[in-house]
Amino acid sequence: DAKTTQPTSMDCAEGRAANLPCNHSTISGNEYVYWYRQIHSQGPQYIIHGLKNNETNEMASLIITEDRKSSTLILPHATLRDTAVYYCIVRVLEYGNKLVFGAGTILRVKS
Amino acid sequence: DTEVTQTPKHLVMGMTNKKSLKCEQHMGHRAMYWYKQKAKKPPELMFVYSYEKLSINESVPSRFSPECPNSSLLNLHLHALQPEDSALYLCASSHDRGQGAFFGQGTRLTVV
Repeated sequence: DAKTTQPTSMDCAEGRAANLPCNHSTISGNEYVYWYRQIHSQGPQYIIHGLKNNETNEMASLIITEDRKSSTLILPHATLRDTAVYYCIVRVLEYGNKLVFGAGTILRVKS
Repeated sequence: DTEVTQTPKHLVMGMTNKKSLKCEQHMGHRAMYWYKQKAKKPPELMFVYSYEKLSINESVPSRFSPECPNSSLLNLHLHALQPEDSALYLCASSHDRGQGAFFGQGTRLTVV
């Protein structure tokens, strides 16, 4: 699976959009981009995933560059409850395949 | 039901004890995972089961023994653990046809 690079930490004001970048320059054509987050002392939570088109759900939007070498997770109106570690993962969509976490980005939403 | 349930939530065991962690899901997912997470570190993959068969073992020591008795259950049997094995153990399941994985809340294990 391709490796990802994320900033160690980011701050965001409550109510503003949080934009979390992820670099995955060695991504293969059949690898998807997944985002998870982990709030302190809880299990990770799936947020969104995509292959090459931009995606949106009730939690967030995922913007993938045309060359697929990077992506951005957007939380449109961050709240204090969005403070968490956010993980960007790339993996092949294959049953029983690895789901490997990198270091992630600590997002702190401040009032 | 979109939950992955792990029991117990907390476990303290001695180095000579044998204990088991249990994970259950009723979402029809056929891929299940065990992770180990130390404080301030990302989850570290241990095992992957696909259709009740072990598909990936990330070179985990034999004192950790996984078992998948049926499509809804995943166990992790523990024997002769070391204090450095103290961690949060997370279970996850996925459909793996486009959806993300669902994680349990974990078992906080302390080896004394």
